[in-house]
Amino acid sequence: QKEVEQNSGPLSVPEGAIASLNCTYSDRGSQSFFWYRQYSGKSPELIMSIYSNGDKEDGRFTAQLNKASQYVSLLIRDSQPSDSATYLCAVNRGNNDMRFGAGTRLTVKP
Amino acid sequence: DAGITQSPRYKITETGRQVTLMCHQTWSHSYMFWYRQDLGHGLRLIYYSAAADITDKGEVPDGYVVSRSKTENFPLTLESATRSQTSVYFCASTVGSNQPQHFGDGTRLSIL
Repeated sequence: QKEVEQNSGPLSVPEGAIASLNCTYSDRGSQSFFWYRQYSGKSPELIMSIYSNGDKEDGRFTAQLNKASQYVSLLIRDSQPSDSATYLCAVNRGNNDMRFGAGTRLTVKP
Repeated sequence: DAGITQSPRYKITETGRQVTLMCHQTWSHSYMFWYRQDLGHGLRLIYYSAAADITDKGEVPDGYVVSRSKTENFPLTLESATRSQTSVYFCASTVGSNQPQHFGDGTRLSIL
């Protein structure tokens, strides 16, 4: 079992729809959780951080954390073609031990 | 705000050669990291540093050497490059161990 698992996709949604990206992790002691966006040929760019159970909203993005289920998700509302990218889930197990999922490729079709 | 810069952006070398990838950050972040990114594996940690002169191994350290004599620089050296080390290498930094990491633009390394 991988430390951090994501559906590799590709996930395809029409413009204006909600994109839902999911991530599960194996270490119950994990302390902080992040979503990064990575365009092809570019570096990962932080879009959301979440540290406690529940929802955290930032503009069109909502991160959801459920530590009991070891589950993190990212919702993108009103998806735009510019949101087309690979989304990386990152889980910090503490002591600088950050583990990344392999990423979910999202395509938003105009 | 230069942030975190990596050099070179692209490098082609041959097996057995030594190659050094540079990373420089202007934020005075204590923590710095080196990752490699390969298809199917995502980002994997090679080495990290909590401060100048303090380094530690990550998930895939074999074949790599790091040093950190100054807070702002964290070079990564492949002492004798192998084809399996062909990858995209990212340097990252953060202000605290539980905080998000911020990435440089990456170095695409090809070993022939």
